[in-house]
Amino acid sequence: EDKVVQSPLSLVVHEGDTVTLNCSYEVTNFRSLLWYKQEKKAPTFLFMLTSSGIEKKSGRLSSILDKKELSSILNITATQTGDSAIYLCAVYNIRTSGTYKYIFGTGTRLKVLA
Amino acid sequence: NAGVTQTPKFQVLKTGQSMTLQCAQDMNHEYMSWYRQDPGMGLRLIHYSVGAGITDQGEVPNGYNVSRSTTEDFPLRLLSAAPSQTSVYFCASSYLTGREGYTFGSGTRLTVV
Repeated sequence: EDKVVQSPLSLVVHEGDTVTLNCSYEVTNFRSLLWYKQEKKAPTFLFMLTSSGIEKKSGRLSSILDKKELSSILNITATQTGDSAIYLCAVYNIRTSGTYKYIFGTGTRLKVLA
Repeated sequence: NAGVTQTPKFQVLKTGQSMTLQCAQDMNHEYMSWYRQDPGMGLRLIHYSVGAGITDQGEVPNGYNVSRSTTEDFPLRLLSAAPSQTSVYFCASSYLTGREGYTFGSGTRLTVV
């Protein structure tokens, strides 16, 4: 069965720390991997990754995909209290049967202390 | 560019009542879906659609109906609301190829009393 596993489940750090969140997947017919940030509202899109080894960056956030290891990491440098959120990873697959599905992990809850 | 629009934002229902949550997107996305999110449970797929006239069940379809008569709209119907359906509901859409990612609506917080 297709699955996406995120680790750690939760993390508490202090402002200024660097964090690495992990996402591993067992999914057939992989198309893309997506990262989202969710505060007390809808998930907001961070990155979409399709190719191995190419880092995507946005300010203090960056992410990279390793298709050999079936995993991705999301790095946040110089964390701020505003980074406190649940970070979700999802994988999109398209099966030969014609089934299309986004499979979500349960998320990593990050709390950044001032 | 409105993206994915969900209405209402909040709703309180009595047990046994029915209602429709609305979802509309203006990006010409083929793929549309509904999730519910409960504390500690993550996002659970209720129903999804890959185009007008085509719908399929997700993980937790019982108690919900959907239809897709146009590309833009994908309403979710609660047939006879139960307290177990108290949740936050999200609609999302994307191109079938997955290019340009997966966009979420702002959510509907539903309480069934």
